Amino acid sequence: DTAVSQTPKYLVTQMGNDKSIKCEQNLGHDTMYWYKQDSKKFLKIMFSYNNKELIINETVPNRFSPKSPDKAHLNLHINSLELGDSAVYFCASLLAGVNIQYFGAGTRLSVL
Amino acid sequence: KQEVTQIPAALSVPEGENLVLNCSFTDSAIYNLQWFRQDPGKGLTSLLLIQSSQREQTSGRLNASLDKSSGRSTLYIAASQPGDSATYLCALDSGYSTLTFGKGTMLLVSP
Repeated sequence: DTAVSQTPKYLVTQMGNDKSIKCEQNLGHDTMYWYKQDSKKFLKIMFSYNNKELIINETVPNRFSPKSPDKAHLNLHINSLELGDSAVYFCASLLAGVNIQYFGAGTRLSVL
Repeated sequence: KQEVTQIPAALSVPEGENLVLNCSFTDSAIYNLQWFRQDPGKGLTSLLLIQSSQREQTSGRLNASLDKSSGRSTLYIAASQPGDSATYLCALDSGYSTLTFGKGTMLLVSP
């Protein structure tokens, strides 16, 4: 009954590969986000989608391409992975009105 | 550009102590401020949300205050317990429900 679920939980890959992280929420929320938490534990917004439309793109390299097939899903595809992409990526969804964000458990990406 | 600073970066206390975590921010034009808890290997859990028009919020042993004019918020934890051990993050919504986070305070409560 996980509200915001991300897969995979761990992802280890080589530099230059292309990988995807999936996120699904069963809360009926319209807005979803991707955040990146780097090795210094600093959590920063990457993207925001509202009802399948991109709302915010915080100067993320275009190697990162979010895709929202429907409002319950926001996937993150990363091309040509670099060492600096190693981080924990969190997906979140927003309960509008109350403005509380619900976070997934994170995907730990390690680029070797 | 909003900048959020949390002090201290880490805190270790014996069980039962009352403690205060601090958050400061540079831009007072905010919609709300939230305190989150992050446990190792897990996502974030929202603890308290203070709207910009409010001064404080309480939930159980937690009390959060907001002083926009000075750019400060505090999270007060009463009678701390080992289960409170986690990283506590302060986050500000400056628009579009996009959060700007501090780096967190890592709390360890020892039995």
